[in-house]
Amino acid sequence: KNEVEQSPQNLTAQEGEFITINCSYSVGISALHWLQQHPGGGIVSLFMLSSGKKKHGRLIATINIQEKHSSLHITASHPRDSAVYICAAFPYNTDKLIFGTGTRLQVFP
Amino acid sequence: KAGVTQTPRYLIKTRGQQVTLSCSPISGHRSVSWYQQTPGQGLQFLFEYFSETQRNKGNFPGRFSGRQFSNSRSEMNVSTLELGDSALYLCASSLVSGRANTGELFFGEGSRLTVL
Repeated sequence: KNEVEQSPQNLTAQEGEFITINCSYSVGISALHWLQQHPGGGIVSLFMLSSGKKKHGRLIATINIQEKHSSLHITASHPRDSAVYICAAFPYNTDKLIFGTGTRLQVFP
Repeated sequence: KAGVTQTPRYLIKTRGQQVTLSCSPISGHRSVSWYQQTPGQGLQFLFEYFSETQRNKGNFPGRFSGRQFSNSRSEMNVSTLELGDSALYLCASSLVSGRANTGELFFGEGSRLTVL
């Protein structure tokens, strides 16, 4: 069983819909990253969270350290949001980043 | 400001050969970390270098090695290539190392290695 689990694995949406991607982890962590990977491989770091909530444009990320859960929300989704979204965490006392398996999002016009 | 540059972008090797991949971090960044991405295993941490020292290593065999130069550029080497080494190899740079990094990780576009 992966220490970092994401759901759903695949997600399709119509343009304009509100999207939620979930990340849960079984180990104590010090920080969590949300990453976006487009076809072709390049990865962009969206957020780094250690507590609370962050917002950037239409993207919102939240984390509850005690419940070992983080969510990424996309408001007013757009076809250009189509990508794989990956959460990654630093477990306590280690600098070895561990990754979720990713959520493939497709947004249709 | 230039981003993280990885070379080569694509390469094909045969089993038993060795390969060296290069990563030039963002100017001023001293931490470079390497990752392997495969369809079966997803993204996995390989190792991290900070100020020319390996700070952390993932669970990969000794065939995987790396180094970092005084200008923070990093190379990783895989010797005696196996079919299962076919993957996208990504590097990322940051100002500081590991958990101490409270900011972004900046990733390169990756080097896609195919082993025949």
